[in-house]
Amino acid sequence: QPVLTQSSSASASLGSSVKLTCTLSSGHSSYIIAWHQFQSGKAPRYLMKLESTGSFNKGSGVPDRFSGSSSGADRYLIISNLQLEDEADYYCETWDSDIWVFGGGTKLTVL
Amino acid sequence: EVQLVQSGAEVKKPGESLKISCKGSGYNFANYWIGWVRLMPGKGLEWMGLIYPDSSETRYNPSFQGQVTLSADKSISTAYLQWSSLKASDTAMYFCARHYDYTSSWYGYWGQGTRVSVSS
Repeated sequence: QPVLTQSSSASASLGSSVKLTCTLSSGHSSYIIAWHQFQSGKAPRYLMKLESTGSFNKGSGVPDRFSGSSSGADRYLIISNLQLEDEADYYCETWDSDIWVFGGGTKLTVL
Repeated sequence: EVQLVQSGAEVKKPGESLKISCKGSGYNFANYWIGWVRLMPGKGLEWMGLIYPDSSETRYNPSFQGQVTLSADKSISTAYLQWSSLKASDTAMYFCARHYDYTSSWYGYWGQGTRVSVSS
């Protein structure tokens, strides 16, 4: 089954952009993933589905500042014009043969 | 509007049993798989398994098989995650989730989470 690898932490300044990476394991570079946002005290939020082509479909109400792209086995979540409310843990998700897997999550700090 | 509302936080002792719930609304609850995900302190998300409420068919992550039981009551649009004998290592947040739509495999809706604390 696929394994998803994420950096444990990232930081960027208010108003800037950040690119979070989720890397699929060898042999799984064509897989679709999804990005989710987890914030303490709030229900988790589905952000988008992201394909290997870079095509993405966002969830309802997800701001335009959030976008996705892909390169090989890497899937990116790009957040532009960072806001304080973007400070959160971001997880990627994929699945194969009735097994779902998540990356280890990236804790994003907005400076 | 699709909503998943989970039961409240629980504080238990090792060896006790527990059943937490996830109530769906705003859609045909019986016809969407409900997944359960664990978030342990300082760790990442772990997929535990899922259940199809209409038939109560289940799929378990092998790591959780035999450790927990998934069930559902479609008449009240509620799914359950159950332990027969809790351990301290079960201390975590537990989330239920539903796929984005009928044809998708990724999770598009989440419950707010249930915090479970197990300590003597």
